[in-house]
Amino acid sequence: NAGVTQTPKFQVLKTGQSMTLQCAQDMNHEYMSWYRQDPGMGLRLIHYSVGAGITDQGEVPNGYNVSRSTTEDFPLRLLSAAPSQTSVYFCASSTGTRDSEKLFFGSGTQLSVL
Amino acid sequence: GQNIDQPTEMTATEGAIVQINCTYQTSGFNGLFWYQQHAGEAPTFLSYNVLDGLEEKGRFSSFLSRSKGYSYLLLKELQMKDSASYLCAAMDSNYQLIWGAGTKLIIKP
Repeated sequence: NAGVTQTPKFQVLKTGQSMTLQCAQDMNHEYMSWYRQDPGMGLRLIHYSVGAGITDQGEVPNGYNVSRSTTEDFPLRLLSAAPSQTSVYFCASSTGTRDSEKLFFGSGTQLSVL
Repeated sequence: GQNIDQPTEMTATEGAIVQINCTYQTSGFNGLFWYQQHAGEAPTFLSYNVLDGLEEKGRFSSFLSRSKGYSYLLLKELQMKDSASYLCAAMDSNYQLIWGAGTKLIIKP
């Protein structure tokens, strides 16, 4: 099993550019999510999905879009990149959203916006 | 508001024991998670507590006191590979995770 596959690993953008971060999981997990991780802060939830066709906003959704057309894939789109979006992004999945459901994380994308 | 507090950095010696504390304030409570994150890598799951008490898993143990809003992660027989950040996360009444900023653990020979 590959687990959670996230691409690219590194990306540099200019302000105003758009891009898509890809995330795929092969564990048949219903729940998928995107986090950003910034120095000195906890992981912050951007968007999440509890199943194909269902998405919802997390704590910091502005400037990001998501879609969930299949169980496996959950891409994150940056519409018009800003320097404030410089961060490390993690995709994560789990079997569900309830109590003991542990998250499986992708390897992360280091994004720099100039 | 909802909040998680944990020390920013700790240093310990190889072979020793270290305790990483975490205090939380959440709207409702559905459990406390600990994750390990090596530098430049993804977090990986270590433990989950929802009832008071100590859960032991090899060299790692995790403790929870719901009445005090307090948890700790205990690492025994420290090895150099335990050098990492340890993330505490509490699940609130809406099953959303509130994450601490992480504790960077430095192991010295």
